[in-house]
Amino acid sequence: NAGVTQTPKFQVLKTGQSMTLQCAQDMNHNSMYWYRQDPGMGLRLIYYSASEGTTDKGEVPNGYNVSRLNKREFSLRLESAAPSQTSVYFCATRRVTGELFFGEGSRLTVL
Amino acid sequence: GDSVTQMEGPVTLSEEAFLTINCTYTATGYPSLFWYVQYPGEGLQLLLKATKADDKGSNKGFEATYRKETTSFHLEKGSVQVSDSAVYFCALSDPPPGFQKLVFGTGTRLLVSP
Repeated sequence: NAGVTQTPKFQVLKTGQSMTLQCAQDMNHNSMYWYRQDPGMGLRLIYYSASEGTTDKGEVPNGYNVSRLNKREFSLRLESAAPSQTSVYFCATRRVTGELFFGEGSRLTVL
Repeated sequence: GDSVTQMEGPVTLSEEAFLTINCTYTATGYPSLFWYVQYPGEGLQLLLKATKADDKGSNKGFEATYRKETTSFHLEKGSVQVSDSAVYFCALSDPPPGFQKLVFGTGTRLLVSP
């Protein structure tokens, strides 16, 4: 029982390159989230998906796109990476009683 | 909008000391409140939660009481261990049912020395 799995765990990009962060869950939760974590700023919500087939912007969506491929998978895409997108990215799912379950994180550096 | 304010860190304690990490919130209605913990190199894990006023959440020796009159949810532990060194996040969400987003505080780093 893996819970929430993110890939890759580490990635280095050059400015302007694109990439996709993958997230998969085996918890059968409807809601999935992408957060970024930066020093001194806590976690900020990028996008979320309340259920399969729906996505919505969070607090900091600019420069990102998402796809809810099916109930299990929720991907985050950077079309043209910028140094300001250097961060640690976390995928999470939500139980109906409110608790979030997080992946281990993906550390992205944009040069 | 809803918000969570946590005390600045780091909090530095010796082993077996008493811990308090302050958390206050601003929200409409009656939110659910959470504490999450993040160990180095890992994702966040739920530590405890409370869903209504005067509820006490507890886990692994940590406790927090939902105080609506002071809009607070302070985290306490009677005797900390080195293994408690981590970053602690306070968070709130709208109560179930329905879809809710969590709002996180900025986190408080705890360092426990032997």
